[in-house]
Amino acid sequence: KQEVTQIPAALSVPEGENLVLNCSFTDSAIYNLQWFRQDPGKGLTSLLLIQSSQREQTSGRLNASLDKSSGRSTLYIAASQPGDSATYLCAVRPNNNNDMRFGAGTRLTVKP
Amino acid sequence: NAGVTQTPKFQVLKTGQSMTLQCAQDMNHNSMYWYRQDPGMGLRLIYYSASEGTTDKGEVPNGYNVSRLNKREFSLRLESAAPSQTSVYFCASSTFMNTEAFFGQGTRLTVV
Repeated sequence: KQEVTQIPAALSVPEGENLVLNCSFTDSAIYNLQWFRQDPGKGLTSLLLIQSSQREQTSGRLNASLDKSSGRSTLYIAASQPGDSATYLCAVRPNNNNDMRFGAGTRLTVKP
Repeated sequence: NAGVTQTPKFQVLKTGQSMTLQCAQDMNHNSMYWYRQDPGMGLRLIYYSASEGTTDKGEVPNGYNVSRLNKREFSLRLESAAPSQTSVYFCASSTFMNTEAFFGQGTRLTVV
């Protein structure tokens, strides 16, 4: 059974810092990995989708990398802003299973 | 473009009552999903519908039923609500099972 872990559970940084959020998974046989953002009391907003054949994806100040062999993905946020404060979730879709597995998330606070 | 719309946004039920959560998407997606989100546990798949006319169980299907009414709509029914079903429920959709998923804003359900 695929297990997805996100460390740390919470992170607080001053505005302007570059930061990295981590996501690890136990089974490297994945089809893709997706990063989401969730604001309090809201739904999930898709940030980036990385296919298993890709190493990274970029969108604006966000860059997500994928290392299937080591079972790891990172989400890099450049020049963080208070508006980036949210919970960030990663989800892995296994090759032969329709169940997208989620990590518990990292709650990010960016202080002005 | 509304995306994925869930109704209601909030609901309080008494133990043993029944209710149906509604979900509709306007992106012409083939696949739809129901997840529940509980503190510290991430999102877990309840049921999914890979395409119109099909439904399958996810990780935590007990106590729930679903109906894929048409390509746009996928409902989740609680026949006899229990306090353990207190959670936030999210509906999601994607073009196919292995493509980018988009989420609704969630339904916060409390069973007393």
